[in-house]
Amino acid sequence: QAVVTQEPSLTVSPGGTVTLTCGSSAGAVTSGQYPYWFQQKPGQAPRTLIYDTTNKHSWTPDRFSGSLLGGKAALTLSGAQPEDEADYYCLLSSSGAPWVFGGGTKLTVL
Amino acid sequence: QVQLQESGPGLVNPSETLSLTCTVSGGSITSHYWSWIRQPPGKGLEWIGYIHYSGSTIYNPSLKSRVTISIDTSMKHFSLKLTSVTAADTAVYYCARSFMGMTWGQGTLVAVSS
Repeated sequence: QAVVTQEPSLTVSPGGTVTLTCGSSAGAVTSGQYPYWFQQKPGQAPRTLIYDTTNKHSWTPDRFSGSLLGGKAALTLSGAQPEDEADYYCLLSSSGAPWVFGGGTKLTVL
Repeated sequence: QVQLQESGPGLVNPSETLSLTCTVSGGSITSHYWSWIRQPPGKGLEWIGYIHYSGSTIYNPSLKSRVTISIDTSMKHFSLKLTSVTAADTAVYYCARSFMGMTWGQGTLVAVSS
């Protein structure tokens, strides 16, 4: 099965913009893999930020957005806040095939 | 609003079978996909598998020989069985529903130790 890769760690300044990416060893990530993005803070269960590449939950802050970028799924945070410091995971969920998580990105707001 | 709650033993002996149940409330279980996901201490998330409400399943190939996911729509729960466990199976186990995003349970820690 494909290996899904994310940046192990990223740092963003408060108010700044950062893009997290999610790539696949099987080739370009497409909308047909229905990419998810999850945020996880210490001691908490993950929560969904983005599903089906670009869709947001009602609780997803407007500063988060999802897209496809250069053959990868991408999560862009515009106007980072201290409370955005967390681990972020992507998931590729192709129909009829095993789903695969990326290894996660530790985002520091500093 | 749908809620999911994992339940089961917090400690399992090596070589035995880990069994967990996820109870669904506030919504129907007769639709959508129902997953199990785990997270070893200090590590990332690992997708274990899912069951469609129709009963069809797909499993992580690395766990497929040891995993069974089943669903009981009358009882509004779905279950995970993982056989021949070792210390490497120690993790927080989450259940989740996939529909218009993913709704997660709070997770339950299962330790494998004698």
